[in-house]
Parts: sequence; structure tokens; C-alpha cells
Amino acid sequence: EADIYQTPRYLVIGTGKKITLECSQTMGHDKMYWYQQDPGMELHLIHYSYGVNSTEKGDLSSESTVSRIRTEHFPLTLESARPSHTSQYLCASSDRPHEQYFGPGTRLTVT
Amino acid sequence: GNSVTQMEGPVTLSEEAFLTINCTYTATGYPSLFWYVQYPGEGLQLLLKATKADDKGSNKGFEATYRKETTSFHLEKGSVQVSDSAVYFCALSEASSYKLIFGSGTRLLVRP
Repeated sequence: EADIYQTPRYLVIGTGKKITLECSQTMGHDKMYWYQQDPGMELHLIHYSYGVNSTEKGDLSSESTVSRIRTEHFPLTLESARPSHTSQYLCASSDRPHEQYFGPGTRLTVT
Repeated sequence: GNSVTQMEGPVTLSEEAFLTINCTYTATGYPSLFWYVQYPGEGLQLLLKATKADDKGSNKGFEATYRKETTSFHLEKGSVQVSDSAVYFCALSEASSYKLIFGSGTRLLVRP
């Protein structure tokens, strides 16, 4: 069983607010990822990290930012939320090529 | 570039029916192939994988065979259950890569 956690699970927030989505894993994995999942289910990689102090943008451009100060923690921040940011955000981690372990996701609604 | 194409859903079946969800891929080299499953309200879980041609991945009654000649990795199950209702994602990863490329997902609904 993978030990990767995301909080909050659900968040409804007004336009213009700053938000941080938390992601933590207890497996000691070096690699961590953030995906955005649209209502049509498709997954888009928006950020990834291959280790502490290493972050990269993914295939889909996103206004969010990430940080990786500790191995186990990979938070995602939106400085000013907009309705277009409404989506499900999934965090994942891995310690070897190919296989990723996913958290339960955060469903964000911006009103 | 690399890509994964899977059949559109939803796929609606009666309990105990046979399931096939088609998946084809485009890739350079020799990718590894995966099926992930997402149950309602949850994240994705790895269902099965195959790392080289002709390998068969299997788990929980599901299976898929890596067919290089047809660039396919179709998911099958002989007898589906209501509890199999979920979204299924086909994915690939290039050799030594830590990134996954996902298909668009196929929703399966199994009725009692």
C-alpha cells in the first residue's frame, strides 16, 4: 500500500485567494509529480521534481508553482485562484522508472 | 512524439460479461506499458504492467499482452463485477524514464 497523502481532499475558495495544496509521502521517494485532471478525466503533468531543490514544469503550462525543500513534501501553490483553476489535482511519487504511486487527489473549486 | 490512444467510453456491461478496452501506442524505442485504475473519489492505482514485447501483465483477473507488432496493449477480463466500475488509463514510459504518458481514460460501468 502506497503512503502518499494529499490535503485538503476538497476545497471551495473564492477568486483571488492564495491556496496551497499539500502532498506528502513517507516512502522516501526522490521523484514527485503533480497532475491536473480535467472533467473529461484526461491527466496532464504540470510539475515534477527529481529531488530536493529540483523542480521542473511539466507538459501542460500552469500558473501554479511548486517547491521541494524536503524529500517527503511537495506542495503546490496558486497565488491568485481563478475559476479556470477548478480541477482535480493529483500528486504522485516514484523511486524507479515507470512506476508511480498516486495520492487520493484534491478537488478544487474556485467560485 | 510518444502517445497513447484508448477507446472512448463509457463502456457499459452487465455483470459477468467479457471486457476489452483497447489501447494502442506510438513510441520510439521499447517502452514499458501500464494499466492504471481510478475508482470513484480516489487517485490512480497501478493495475498491471509489461516491460517488453510479448510480456503479459495480470492482476485481479485483468490481463494485457504487450504486442509490439500491432503496438497494442488491450485490457481484458473474462467476467466483470460491479466493483470493477472505474476509469481505466493506459500509459507508457520510455526506457529509463521517470515520466508516464497517459491515454485519455475509459470509464467502465458494470450493472448488476
